[in-house]
Order: sequence, then C-alpha cells, then structure tokens
Amino acid sequence: AQSVSQHNHHVILSEAASLELGCNYSYGGTVNLFWYVQYPGQHLQLLLKYFSGDPLVKGIKGFEAEFIKSKFSFNLRKPSVQWSDTAEYFCAVRTMDSNYQLIWGAGTKLIIKP
Amino acid sequence: KAGVTQTPRYLIKTRGQQVTLSCSPISGHRSVSWYQQTPGQGLQFLFEYFSETQRNKGNFPGRFSGRQFSNSRSEMNVSTLELGDSALYLCASSFFGLQGGTDTQYFGPGTRLTVL
Repeated sequence: AQSVSQHNHHVILSEAASLELGCNYSYGGTVNLFWYVQYPGQHLQLLLKYFSGDPLVKGIKGFEAEFIKSKFSFNLRKPSVQWSDTAEYFCAVRTMDSNYQLIWGAGTKLIIKP
Repeated sequence: KAGVTQTPRYLIKTRGQQVTLSCSPISGHRSVSWYQQTPGQGLQFLFEYFSETQRNKGNFPGRFSGRQFSNSRSEMNVSTLELGDSALYLCASSFFGLQGGTDTQYFGPGTRLTVL
C-alpha cells in the first residue's frame, strides 16, 4: 500500500536556524507532491506543490522543497526560521492512477524558540 | 472569495448515536473531499464527491457515508458512533478534484467530534 513517511514527529529549533523536514513516499508511479502547514488554531494551508518540471519548488513564506525522484523524497527546507513558523507541517502525495487519493504523512510539529 | 466553511465546529455525541457534518465549498468548486485527522495519524482520506457522485473512497467502514448536493455542498454522516471516531473531520474543496491533474485542495477549519 502507498504510504508517506515524515521522519521527525517533533522538531525544536532556535530562531535563525536552518530547517529541513524529511518526507519519503512509497509509490512507483506518477505523483503530485504537496506540503501543507497548520498554524495553531488555524486550518490547513498549502505551502507549496510539485506537479512537474523543475524539481526545486518555491512556496510561500520563504519555504522551498526539492523533489528527488530516485529517492522518492520531497524534503521541505527554509534557510532561516522565525518564531512565527511554529506549526505542524504535513507532506502529502497524490497518486495519479485509477484510485486517486491524497495520502498524508503523520505530520511534524515544529517549535521555534524565540 | 469566501473559503471552505464547515458546520458545526464542535460536536459532542455518545456511543451509538449518529452525526451529520456539513461542508460548503469555495464558490465554483465542484469537488469536496473529506478527511479524518487524529493526533499522530495525520489525515486519512474518507471519500471524494464530484458533481454529486462519489468518485473515490478510502478504507473506512460503511458507517461513514456522504453525499453532495447540486450546489456542491456536501454532508458526511457517521452512524453508530464509536469512541474511536473522535477526531477532527476536515473537508477540502477544489475545482477538478483529485483526478484534476494540477488541481489544489483548499481546506475548511474542520469539525471537532468528541464521542463519549
């Protein structure tokens, strides 16, 4: 069965530190890839997405992600985090086959210490 | 443009009861998907409706059902509630839905269901 794995459930960083959140998926076919963010008390928002083309995609608020097909990975990065980045981050993969679904990772809770 | 709205926001039920949750998509969107979110599990896909037809379905028991109306509003029903059904239920809307290639889903705030 297809699955999405987010390596860390909790990450704690200080402001200005660099961030990389891992996301790996298990599916051999064509995929669309997403990162969503859920700020405390708010609903899920799209950070960035990859459908095709340049594997390095840029999203809102200075986030970017790189799709590495050979590693089945779509890691999220930000060079310098801010306190306002404290949130839960979800990686999601849409499988482009006969049973279209959006499969989600379990999420990574990011806490930024001021 | 108004976002996705869900009602009610909070609900408390007891085991064995049934519940109906409502979702109004963004104007013009024809697809509504439903997800169950529990701590540590992420989001689990329930089903997707497109133009009043269920198009995709996740691995949930038949107690979970849904429908979509001609104005694209959708309802989700859970019958014979169990303690394990306590979760945040999210709906998401998009224009083309999960089969739409480059489509993106927009999420509502969710309905927090507590089963006692």
